[in-house]
Amino acid sequence: TQLLEQSPQFLSIQEGENLTVYCNSSSVFSSLQWYRQEPGEGPVLLVTVVTGGEVKKLKRLTFQFGDARKDSSLHITAAQTGDTGLYLCAGDRGGYQKVTFGTGTKLQVIP
Amino acid sequence: DAGVIQSPRHEVTEMGQEVTLRCKPISGHDYLFWYRQTMMRGLELLIYFNNNVPIDDSGMPEDRFSAKMPNASFSTLKIQPSEPRDSAVYFCASSRGAGANVLTFGAGSRLTVL
Repeated sequence: TQLLEQSPQFLSIQEGENLTVYCNSSSVFSSLQWYRQEPGEGPVLLVTVVTGGEVKKLKRLTFQFGDARKDSSLHITAAQTGDTGLYLCAGDRGGYQKVTFGTGTKLQVIP
Repeated sequence: DAGVIQSPRHEVTEMGQEVTLRCKPISGHDYLFWYRQTMMRGLELLIYFNNNVPIDDSGMPEDRFSAKMPNASFSTLKIQPSEPRDSAVYFCASSRGAGANVLTFGAGSRLTVL
């Protein structure tokens, strides 16, 4: 059973377009992280959100944690080719160091 | 800091052979995780350690898989005997402190079992 479902699975867009990636679960998480993974490398942490309803911005990336702490979204404004990669959400349910990763969204930004 | 260091980066072996993957976590990190990534199943947690002690190995697929952490700066994941379905990228990650849940990943070891 996959606790964290991401959508879409694949996304191919033109440079300059906006996009949103979703991460959904029926479970409540203490915190949720977003990672980006480039080919041949490990995932790299982008952001951690902790409070329900929290919004964090990282340059052109906007992350939101759902009010009920069951879902999250990642919005990219004016995508660039450097944004290409696999985006993974990851949630922890607290109490122990165990992080569950989402199914992933593979983003390709075309010049 | 050099980050999490994994070796080898690539390993090609034949079915039935023993495979040993190695990981050096970031100094001062007290949690170490082994993950496996495949196209079909995504990123799966195999086992994690806290202060060198295995805490949860429920993700280890079979008895053919074993992991050790003899000290704070070294861990191994061993597969014996290896099978073609073990082909995947294996990642080691480390983190510091309970509640942080911020993982730093190594670059991974790509295993191909023929």
